[in-house]
Amino acid sequence: KAGVTQTPRYLIKTRGQQVTLSCSPISGHRSVSWYQQTPGQGLQFLFEYFSETQRNKGNFPGRFSGRQFSNSRSEMNVSTLELGDSALYLCASSQAKGPPYEQYFGPGTRLTVT
Amino acid sequence: GEDVEQSLFLSVREGDSSVINCTYTDSSSTYLYWYKQEPGAGLQLLTYIFSNMDMKQDQRLTVLLNKKDKHLSLRIADTQTGDSAIYFCADVRGGSQGNLIFGKGTKLSVKP
Repeated sequence: KAGVTQTPRYLIKTRGQQVTLSCSPISGHRSVSWYQQTPGQGLQFLFEYFSETQRNKGNFPGRFSGRQFSNSRSEMNVSTLELGDSALYLCASSQAKGPPYEQYFGPGTRLTVT
Repeated sequence: GEDVEQSLFLSVREGDSSVINCTYTDSSSTYLYWYKQEPGAGLQLLTYIFSNMDMKQDQRLTVLLNKKDKHLSLRIADTQTGDSAIYFCADVRGGSQGNLIFGKGTKLSVKP
């Protein structure tokens, strides 16, 4: 079975621009969660999507948004980029059929904002 | 304070056992997880333990859970240079299975 894939792997954007990141979950997985990883803050939960609906949301500003499609693929969007948005963005998928809620992570998208 | 805390660094010799410790604050945690991250890569799920268990063994990995003290540890037996990585413990925010709360990670260095 193929793992979680994320595209693109690397991205360089300028302050004020917007960006869209994509995540394809493991086949059969219906839940996709997004995390931001930075050296200072570590791993922080952004949001989770299940069956095209946002099920949970972390403590991030409204510039961060996401969506999920009927095939469970997910995208996240960051508008009006700031220097502090430079991070590794990780998505994780799970079957979401009940505990133990194993989440499997993709390799991440490294976003650099200049 | 932080929800999940870990020491930041651990250095061991190849062949020794490594013990990585973690404390958490959420008493409603149902599952606790250990993930491994190698340089430039995403997170790899190593193992997990249900909160009503004290111990779980999986090949070279042993997880110990002290629920009273909210303390979790990961023991790696016969540590190899390939085990050098950052190890994260995480718990599931109560009822929100898609929301993992991670510690800052412990960087394990294995010296030959």
